Amino acid sequence: SAVISQKPSRDICQRGTSLTIQCQVDSQVTMMFWYRQQPGQSLTLIATANQGSEATYESGFVIDKFPISRPNLTFSTLTVSNMSPEDSSIYLCSVGARQGLDTGELFFGEGSRLTVL
Amino acid sequence: GENVEQHPSTLSVQEGDSAVIKCTYSDSASNYFPWYKQELGKGPQLIIDIRSNVGEKKDQRIAVTLNKTAKHFSLHITETQPEDSAVYFCAASQAAGNKLTFGGGTRVLVKP
Repeated sequence: SAVISQKPSRDICQRGTSLTIQCQVDSQVTMMFWYRQQPGQSLTLIATANQGSEATYESGFVIDKFPISRPNLTFSTLTVSNMSPEDSSIYLCSVGARQGLDTGELFFGEGSRLTVL
Repeated sequence: GENVEQHPSTLSVQEGDSAVIKCTYSDSASNYFPWYKQELGKGPQLIIDIRSNVGEKKDQRIAVTLNKTAKHFSLHITETQPEDSAVYFCAASQAAGNKLTFGGGTRVLVKP
């Protein structure tokens, strides 16, 4: 499976500020996704990070609030903009198997736990 | 879009007993059904998955069954151990490697 590194692992942020989360994978992968997990809840897909083009957002999520970059097949960033306490969540990067070895599984990073005061 | 329901939300079992978690899905086009285990403070870990062309899959103490007609699938853990205590999520997608829709999760507690 791919090794996924997320930074930061956790942070405490002030209301109104923005934070960028990084996701680095140890191999080139075709599919990368960003999920949100609110406290004690399940995982909700924010968007699919597309390499070289704009991300595809799910209903309820917009680019102005959650801008995403994916400059290459091993790296992506998610920014949480103009944060409010309701944005306090774990944000998770998910990737498919290595390019060319698509077995179908999706793997998750350890997540970035954000607390907004 | 797809909707995945998961039951029960919490499950307490005695060590050595079996645990069963059930999920239903709404989109008949879904054909890939993974299960994830999430321990406290960690990301979800894939433990087993099943594709629509099979009805059952087993890996040591873990098994998954799929009934495409009824649109439900289940996770079975036998001979439970304290280290099986975690939150388990079922999920569904229209293609392996594609975006997942998750169930609400089941918190499993194995009592020694």
